[in-house]
Amino acid sequence: ETGVTQSPTHLIKTRGQQVTLRCSSQSGHNTVSWYQQALGQGPQFIFQYYREEENGRGNFPPRFSGLQFPNYSSELNVNALELDDSALYLCASSRTGGPQETQYFGPGTRLLVL
Amino acid sequence: AQKVTQAQTEISVVEKEDVTLDCVYETRDTTYYLFWYKQPPSGELVFLIRRNSFDEQNEISGRYSWNFQKSTSSFNFTITASQVVDSAVYFCALSEASTGNQFYFGTGTSLTVIP
Repeated sequence: ETGVTQSPTHLIKTRGQQVTLRCSSQSGHNTVSWYQQALGQGPQFIFQYYREEENGRGNFPPRFSGLQFPNYSSELNVNALELDDSALYLCASSRTGGPQETQYFGPGTRLLVL
Repeated sequence: AQKVTQAQTEISVVEKEDVTLDCVYETRDTTYYLFWYKQPPSGELVFLIRRNSFDEQNEISGRYSWNFQKSTSSFNFTITASQVVDSAVYFCALSEASTGNQFYFGTGTSLTVIP
């Protein structure tokens, strides 16, 4: 096990609602990255937080936002949910934010938007 | 354009057979990193290996081995004497010095090992 935890494990929301997903990073890691994985696809990078600042963002609209706390845990917020937001949301932690760093993933949160 | 291509969508093998999972990547960077992850049905991505662009040595870890060839931009993964527990989806990923933080994942190869 990686020591990266995510909550909740499953979530059902309706279109237009807002959702907050949570992630606790592995001990000694100060960087958290979020990914969206649609069914049958590879994970897609949403954004990364390094020492409480956004440190890179993928091709996702502004209604996807995040936060990192002083203990390096993180939240992913999605506003105005759309049906296509249904996916597995994965959080990964790493020692730092560089490309050479291995990212260790949590078990994910499965979001279903109806 | 897809930076990481895993052309094999699904593979089935009989237990104890060897199997190779292909990964082809595309980058203009000279410094980059390649990874393999395993995703069992539970969903958590399990890290298997990291390789940097300056180290083309092949690596073996137990029944797992990796073949990195810059000339063909490939980073293939071989499982020797496959076991039922190897059944999972396997992802190859790339990170680049120029784009920094994000991993680019392939679409994955679903491996089923039949007992």
